[in-house]
Amino acid sequence: AQSVTQLDSQVPVFEEAPVELRCNYSSSVSVYLFWYVQYPNQGLQLLLKYLSGSTLVESINGFEAEFNKSQTSFHLRKPSVHISDTAEYFCAVIRSGGSYIPTFGRGTSLIVHP
Amino acid sequence: NAGVTQTPKFRVLKTGQSMTLLCAQDMNHEYMYWYRQDPGMGLRLIHYSVGEGTTAKGEVPDGYNVSRLKKQNFLLGLESAAPSQTSVYFCASGMGETQYFGPGTRLLVL
Repeated sequence: AQSVTQLDSQVPVFEEAPVELRCNYSSSVSVYLFWYVQYPNQGLQLLLKYLSGSTLVESINGFEAEFNKSQTSFHLRKPSVHISDTAEYFCAVIRSGGSYIPTFGRGTSLIVHP
Repeated sequence: NAGVTQTPKFRVLKTGQSMTLLCAQDMNHEYMYWYRQDPGMGLRLIHYSVGEGTTAKGEVPDGYNVSRLKKQNFLLGLESAAPSQTSVYFCASGMGETQYFGPGTRLLVL
């Protein structure tokens, strides 16, 4: 079984400041890693994912995440946030090579202030 | 291409009433899922299906039943609603490792 821990339930930040949302996971087998974003009153959307290869993955809107196997982490970063980045962010894992049943973290609410 | 749709968007029930939530996807995905989202709890898997005619229990299945008679539809039923089932319900579908979510159904049980 795997588990996901998102260490911060809420992260307030000013516009144009950098941000890091932390995610740690626990698994006895190899996993795929994901970040999903949920804007207010909407469903979740895939932001980025790590399946294999380069440990640094990027999204189209400037977010990036780095898979660190030794620290079992997949932290999400953005060098300069916008008001429109205000949302709930969920980290998730799926056991690689197994059934596609994800485990989600409890979410981090990113609040960007002007 | 509508993606994943959910019906209804909102519903208020009295304790003991029953209802069915409908999820439909037009992407020909094999996997479909039902989650509930509660404040501070993240997403918890209720039931899932790996193909037409199959269903399986997730993390929090008690009080819910599901059916997948057609590949594109996944129904979630509450036979006797309880206030603890007040939540936002999300359906998702997927062919591989990525999931595609519907907009959610907000359910209030009084």
